[in-house]
Amino acid sequence: DIQLTQSPSFLSASVGDRVTITCRASQGISSYLAWYQQKPGKAPKLLIYAASTLQSGVPSRFSGSGSGTEFTLTITSLQPEDFATYYCQQLNSYSGTFGGGTKVEIK
Amino acid sequence: QVQLVQSGAEVKKPGASVKVSCKASGYTFTSYYMHWVRQAPGQGLEWMGIIIPSGGRTSYAQKFQDRVTMTRDTSTSTVYMELSSLRSEDTAVYYCARVRTVSTSATKYYYVDVWGKGTTVTVSS
Repeated sequence: DIQLTQSPSFLSASVGDRVTITCRASQGISSYLAWYQQKPGKAPKLLIYAASTLQSGVPSRFSGSGSGTEFTLTITSLQPEDFATYYCQQLNSYSGTFGGGTKVEIK
Repeated sequence: QVQLVQSGAEVKKPGASVKVSCKASGYTFTSYYMHWVRQAPGQGLEWMGIIIPSGGRTSYAQKFQDRVTMTRDTSTSTVYMELSSLRSEDTAVYYCARVRTVSTSATKYYYVDVWGKGTTVTVSS
């Protein structure tokens, strides 16, 4: 199985900060990567797919980049509603491993 | 609208099996793959496997290979996930999740666009 390693696992930030989360794959996965946001007690919500395509309705302060084995999710100006846990997921026709998650908390 | 309605919470004893259902509505059931994902209390998301409703093909995470079975019933647009030999570490919320496919000239991209509300499975003696 392909392994995904997210870093950091926890970060503390303030409203307005720029935040970057990294996801590294154990082998090349081209651009087959999605990013999700999850809030407590809720199912995850899709932010980005194909590594860099913003899902419809998601604010433009979210962006994704990367290909192969290294990917990043960037939030350019953190808003109060962005405090949540973020997950990367690699998907192909037969698998869908998640990274361990990054919890973004208010400083 | 598109909905995935999951079965209710379960409490099981160690060594037992559990079967969780996920009934799809609002779209063509056989046109979308389905993942099963679980989340233990306070932990991250864990991918368990995928089922392709059109033909019933499955692929499971290595960790669950020996204990999980995913099936589907096209007549009722329902997918099922059965986990056997339950242990306390299997206590979690289990989600079904619909996979959307985006085709380009070069490849296909996948992502989860719809989630069920989750089924809580508690394993306790």
